Amino acid sequence: EIVMTQSPATLSVSPGERATLSCRASQSVSSNLAWYQQKPGQAPRLLIYGASTRATGIPARFSGSGSGTEFTLTISSLQSEDFAVYYCQQYHNWPPWTFGQGTKVEIK
Amino acid sequence: QMQLQESGPGLVKPSETLTLTCTVSGGFISSSTYYWGWIRQPPGKGLEWIADIYYSGTTYYNPSLKSRVTISVDTSKNQFSLKLRSVTAADTAIYYCARNKRQQPYHMDVWGKGTTVTVSS
Repeated sequence: EIVMTQSPATLSVSPGERATLSCRASQSVSSNLAWYQQKPGQAPRLLIYGASTRATGIPARFSGSGSGTEFTLTISSLQSEDFAVYYCQQYHNWPPWTFGQGTKVEIK
Repeated sequence: QMQLQESGPGLVKPSETLTLTCTVSGGFISSSTYYWGWIRQPPGKGLEWIADIYYSGTTYYNPSLKSRVTISVDTSKNQFSLKLRSVTAADTAIYYCARNKRQQPYHMDVWGKGTTVTVSS
């Protein structure tokens, strides 16, 4: 099973600032990685797939990069609606699909 | 626009079987493009993929749960279901159903709102 590790666990950022979230895989997943956003009381929402492709309707301030074992989700200028928990997920080896433990982006 | 809706009991007794159903609307479950799956989230914790099914009935399970889980599909009702046997308090979670792209690049692009299941006597 591929283990996904996200860092940091919590990221404190001021509105308008840039946020950089990391995700590391225990072995190469090529570009088979997705990012999801989850707000309290809501289901996860797909942000990025294929490591860098934005899902339909996702604002351009969200970008994904990386391949192999190291991945980054960048939010270029945080808006109030972006404060949430973010999960990465690998699609390279399955079953099982595996998720990271999440990074909470909170208001500084 | 496709929507997924989970349904099932909110409370299940320990050692019993949990059964959940996901109803798909705004599209057909018998699509060659997608798998249909279940994911759960214990209170305050992260996401755990449980199982996927293709409309033909091909199934994929998380090895950690495989011995207790059965996923099935009913194309006539545009539904798929999850059975989890011998539940314990550790199975208390929000259970989500989701649509999962079958070809690369894979991703879960449509999710239900989730249903909360509590295991307690």
